[in-house]
Amino acid sequence: DSGVTQTPKHLITATGQRVTLRCSPRSGDLSVYWYQQSLDQGLQFLIQYYNGEERAKGNILERFSAQQFPDLHSELNLSSLELGDSALYFCASSVATGAEAFFGQGTRLTVV
Amino acid sequence: GIQVEQSPPDLILQEGANSTLRCNFSDSVNNLQWFHQNPWGQLINLFYIPSGTKQNGRLSATTVATERYSLLYISSSQTTDSGVYFCAVGAGSYQLTFGKGTKLSVIP
Repeated sequence: DSGVTQTPKHLITATGQRVTLRCSPRSGDLSVYWYQQSLDQGLQFLIQYYNGEERAKGNILERFSAQQFPDLHSELNLSSLELGDSALYFCASSVATGAEAFFGQGTRLTVV
Repeated sequence: GIQVEQSPPDLILQEGANSTLRCNFSDSVNNLQWFHQNPWGQLINLFYIPSGTKQNGRLSATTVATERYSLLYISSSQTTDSGVYFCAVGAGSYQLTFGKGTKLSVIP
């Protein structure tokens, strides 16, 4: 158990819908990262938050947004979902930038 | 951005055999991690090794930062070692960049 908790584990939804993925980082970790793993793109960095503030952005679509709350949990919002958004979404956390990152079990999103 | 190349892309081993997985990266890094993704999709931390050598049971890793590569050694492989092994590096911009992975299949 990495200490990073993601919910839900599985999600099936229809095209055009909106979903929210939730992540609770390890106790004491201030940095939260979101990654997307798809068959054709591999593991892609989406966005990072540090202590509530956005720190870095990767290949995140405009239809996607995220935030980190005062209790340090984070949510990734995916809207206007398309079939191609089907993927495994990971959250990771670390105590500081450059420190070892630990990954949650992931949320498997299927868009039908 | 930084490029990460892993080799070989696929590896099939007989149980009990040893193997070496390689990770090359294109720039100086301040973070390098090896992960094992099991058949259920979980990413399991193996090593945090931006430089030097570490060992954990049958697994060991070495990173030569000056030459921009890292090696993961698996000895006496077991069927439970099957899965995909990822190398990921961080270089100043904080987030990890992943290689495409090495898919390992250990057969009895």
